Amino acid sequence: SQQGEEDPQALSIQEGENATMNCSYKTSINNLQWYRQNSGRGLVHLILIRSNEREKHSGRLRVTLDTSKKSSSLLITASRAADTASYFCATGEFKAAGNKLTFGGGTRVLVKP
Amino acid sequence: KAGVTQTPRYLIKTRGQQVTLSCSPISGHRSVSWYQQTPGQGLQFLFEYFSETQRNKGNFPGRFSGRQFSNSRSEMNVSTLELGDSALYLCASSWTGGTGELFFGEGSRLTVL
Repeated sequence: SQQGEEDPQALSIQEGENATMNCSYKTSINNLQWYRQNSGRGLVHLILIRSNEREKHSGRLRVTLDTSKKSSSLLITASRAADTASYFCATGEFKAAGNKLTFGGGTRVLVKP
Repeated sequence: KAGVTQTPRYLIKTRGQQVTLSCSPISGHRSVSWYQQTPGQGLQFLFEYFSETQRNKGNFPGRFSGRQFSNSRSEMNVSTLELGDSALYLCASSWTGGTGELFFGEGSRLTVL
């Protein structure tokens, strides 16, 4: 089963608009990460937010984390056609031994020029 | 610095055969994780190796196995292939294997006929 569930499953926007996607998870976590995957390729790490952080920015990305609601959101501002990809949240369980990230189902984002 | 390298990139096998996939992590990375990605199940954790020891294992049958060598390179093997094993197999490496950022390879796409 997947720890993170993402919403929406798919999103279509015009270039220049903002894209927001959400992730919910079930267990206590060390951190939550967001990754991007272009079609059929490997995943690329975007941003990591620790469980004691509430908001983090990286370029045009803004991530929030609400541990009381076990949810996170990823905002991409001023989207570009190159942002077309699938976006996944991933959680690392609190006190888990070793490296075991659990990924959500992903949000497919289409940015139309 | 070279990224994570996975070989082969594409392969086709028939049911009942076995397959071995290879992953060379980023130099200096000691943790290697494997994930299976399918349209139906999404990204699922297979196992993680750190310093030649398996530290975590996902919920996959014993047909799926792996190992890590002293130079941190890793292989995974799937025996007695089934049609449902068709997937993109992704390898990821990280420095220490805590639940931090993962660096992914481009994956090995396996098709089982």
